[in-house]
Amino acid sequence: AQSVTQPDIHITVSEGASLELRCNYSYGATPYLFWYVQSPGQGLQLLLKYFSGDTLVQGIKGFEAEFKRSQSSFNLRKPSVHWSDAAEYFCAGLSGGGADGLTFGKGTHLIIQP
Amino acid sequence: GAVVSQHPSWVICKSGTSVKIECRSLDFQATTMFWYRQFPKQSLMLMATSNEGSKATYEQGVEKDKFLINHASLTLSTLTVTSAHPEDSSFYICSARDAGAGNTIYFGEGSWLTVV
Repeated sequence: AQSVTQPDIHITVSEGASLELRCNYSYGATPYLFWYVQSPGQGLQLLLKYFSGDTLVQGIKGFEAEFKRSQSSFNLRKPSVHWSDAAEYFCAGLSGGGADGLTFGKGTHLIIQP
Repeated sequence: GAVVSQHPSWVICKSGTSVKIECRSLDFQATTMFWYRQFPKQSLMLMATSNEGSKATYEQGVEKDKFLINHASLTLSTLTVTSAHPEDSSFYICSARDAGAGNTIYFGEGSWLTVV
């Protein structure tokens, strides 16, 4: 069965420090992969996506993610976090046909310490 | 990026009444839209897949007679919660698939439903 796993429920990072949020996927073939961010009480905003090609993907707000087939991972990174980055982050996968809805990880809650 | 608009952002209704939530793709045509439900501090749960011009496909455990989905045009899908009860109170989020952008899926802002 298709699945997306985010091993960390909560991550606390100091402002200005680097960030890495983990995501692992389990699909029969390479899926389309996405990272979304959700602020409290709001919808989801797309940060970046990977379909094929270059395995290092640049997104909005200074985020990037690297697709590693050997590790079935698609980790999200940011070199220096800002207090405004505090939010819930969801990794999601979509089968190549695109006919089904996204499969979401359970989310990682990012806390930024002053 | 593409925009998906959801309306209303929040709604309070009395138990037993019906509520309609709209989801519109503003700058692309979406043959497929998805409806999710999110409980506090939890991830999104797919309720149903809405296909333009055909019946929606519901996930296991989702009552299709309670959550009516209509996708009458390429830019509009609606979710109607019929005979709402307090346990239907939740955050409902729609998304739309942009086939012209490699199947990228964009989300609406979500709708808070409170049934009293």
